[in-house]
Amino acid sequence: DIQMTQSPSTLSASVGDRVTITCRASQSISNWLGWYQQKPGKAPKLLIYKASNLESGVPSRFSGSGSGTEFTLTISSLQPDDFATYYCQQYNSYSPLSFGGGTKVEIK
Amino acid sequence: QVQLQESGPGLVKPSQTLSLTCTVSGASISSGTYYWSWIRQPAGKGLEWIGRIYNTGSTNYNPSLKSRVTISVDMSKNQFSLKLTSVTAADTAVYYCARTGGTFDYWGQGTLVTVSS
Repeated sequence: DIQMTQSPSTLSASVGDRVTITCRASQSISNWLGWYQQKPGKAPKLLIYKASNLESGVPSRFSGSGSGTEFTLTISSLQPDDFATYYCQQYNSYSPLSFGGGTKVEIK
Repeated sequence: QVQLQESGPGLVKPSQTLSLTCTVSGASISSGTYYWSWIRQPAGKGLEWIGRIYNTGSTNYNPSLKSRVTISVDMSKNQFSLKLTSVTAADTAVYYCARTGGTFDYWGQGTLVTVSS
């Protein structure tokens, strides 16, 4: 199994801050990585696929980078709508498809 | 617009079988290209992929659940279904269905299933 580890687990930030979340894979996954945003009581929403490709309709303040085992999600200027929990997900191997543990972005 | 909707009992007794159905609209399961997945999330915890099915009926399951899971498809109704046997309290979670092309780009709203006597 490929283990996905996110850090930090919680992040306190203010509106306008630049925010970076890290996701590490236990083995190389090339660039087969997605990022999701989840708000309480809602299904996750796909933000980024293939490590750095922005899903249609997602604001350009979100960006992703990385390859191999280390990846980052960056929010260039945090907006009130961005306070949520973020998950990474690998799809290099479907045995099993796996998610990181999540990073909760809270208001400072 | 692709939409997915989960349905099924919200309460299941321990040792019994959890059964859920996902109805897809705006896309045809039979057209191929995508897999169709089940994912769950216990309250306050992270996401766990359960398994996926293709239009051919080919399936892949999470090894941690494989002995208890069956995913099937009914293309005449544009639905796919989940059965999870021998449930315990640890299977209490919100269950989501999702379209899968590697990533999960369309999700249902989720349905809470509680395992309790």
